[in-house]
Amino acid sequence: KAGVTQTPRYLIKTRGQQVTLSCSPISGHRSVSWYQQTPGQGLQFLFEYFSETQRNKGNFPGRFSGRQFSNSRSEMNVSTLELGDSALYLCASSLDLQTRNNEQFFGPGTRLTVL
Amino acid sequence: AQSVTQLGSHVSVSEGALVLLRCNYSSSVPPYLFWYVQYPNQGLQLLLKYTSAATLVKGINGFEAEFKKSETSFHLTKPSAHMSDAAEYFCAVSDSGGYNKLIFGAGTRLAVHP
Repeated sequence: KAGVTQTPRYLIKTRGQQVTLSCSPISGHRSVSWYQQTPGQGLQFLFEYFSETQRNKGNFPGRFSGRQFSNSRSEMNVSTLELGDSALYLCASSLDLQTRNNEQFFGPGTRLTVL
Repeated sequence: AQSVTQLGSHVSVSEGALVLLRCNYSSSVPPYLFWYVQYPNQGLQLLLKYTSAATLVKGINGFEAEFKKSETSFHLTKPSAHMSDAAEYFCAVSDSGGYNKLIFGAGTRLAVHP
């Protein structure tokens, strides 16, 4: 079974631009979560989507948004990029068995560099 | 609110030595706890998780962790380190407000030297 895939793997943008990152979950997984990883702040939860609905949101500004499609694939968008948005963005999918101990499977991440 | 503290951002051990990575949690509800490992340029891989079924949890690659409620700890151990264990390790707790929201510790980078 294929794992979680994220595209692109690397991205370079300039301040003020916007960017869209894509995540394809493991087949059959309906929950997709996004995390931001930086050296200074560590791993931080961005948001989670389940059945095309945002079910949970972290403490990030409105420039960060996402969506999920009917095939469970998800995209996240960051508008008006700032230097501080440079990070590794990780996507995770899970079966979502309606419990807090779901195993989440992570993709390799998209490395975003903002110049 | 939940939180996780990992003591020691860097740990260095000799090959064959005991690995001990420390994690303390804070949770207002019974916690679900996880250990993940991240190798360079890769995503996170689940090592093991605590789900209240047993306090001693065995995971992959010879790792195990013991849940101690009285100490609010969930330390990760491995009896004998291998060079391939060199990676960054993250302890996480499941947020009470949602099913798939993890709160991570700052991580511990493990170095294994010959």
